[in-house]
Amino acid sequence: DAGVIQSPRHEVTEMGQEVTLRCKPISGHDYLFWYRQTMMRGLELLIYFNNNVPIDDSGMPEDRFSAKMPNASFSTLKIQPSEPRDSAVYFCASSFSGYQETQYFGPGTRLLVL
Amino acid sequence: QKEVEQNSGPLSVPEGAIASLNCTYSDRGSQSFFWYRQYSGKSPELIMFIYSNGDKEDGRFTAQLNKASQYVSLLIRDSQPSDSATYLCAVKTSYDKVIFGPGTSLSVIP
Repeated sequence: DAGVIQSPRHEVTEMGQEVTLRCKPISGHDYLFWYRQTMMRGLELLIYFNNNVPIDDSGMPEDRFSAKMPNASFSTLKIQPSEPRDSAVYFCASSFSGYQETQYFGPGTRLLVL
Repeated sequence: QKEVEQNSGPLSVPEGAIASLNCTYSDRGSQSFFWYRQYSGKSPELIMFIYSNGDKEDGRFTAQLNKASQYVSLLIRDSQPSDSATYLCAVKTSYDKVIFGPGTSLSVIP
């Protein structure tokens, strides 16, 4: 298995632009998580899905952030409009509920908003 | 009080020594406990998970859980320079949410 796939790996954009991050979970996994990691705040859970349904989005910082999972093999995290304080590494992770809920992380997207 | 706390470090140990990493959590009903390792510039990867009280050993790694005192620890025996990384403790709470600690930076000195 290729593991969790994220794209793009790096994104540099200007304040006010729309940013879309993409994730393909491991086949067969029924949970998908979006995290943000910064030096100041560590690893923060933004939202997670179970069987494509958003379960908990309480970590989404504000209305500028939205996430979708149209099918079991694809999810997006969108920021519109982006701000410099959104600069971080965004990780997608997936897990299978039948195996102790171990999360497998993708390589991350490094976002820089100028 | 933060839900999951760890000493940020850095923790420095000589090669071959035992590294001891600690984690405390606030939700007494927490169910599952995980240790992830994250190398600089990389994504977290699971080292161990522990579900019940007591110790769990996997090679050079031992996870210890004390539910009464609400702490989890990770011991790394015969530490190697390749163990130098940030170690993240994660806790699945009683309200079904996994919370990560801030991580402890470990440096193993050759």
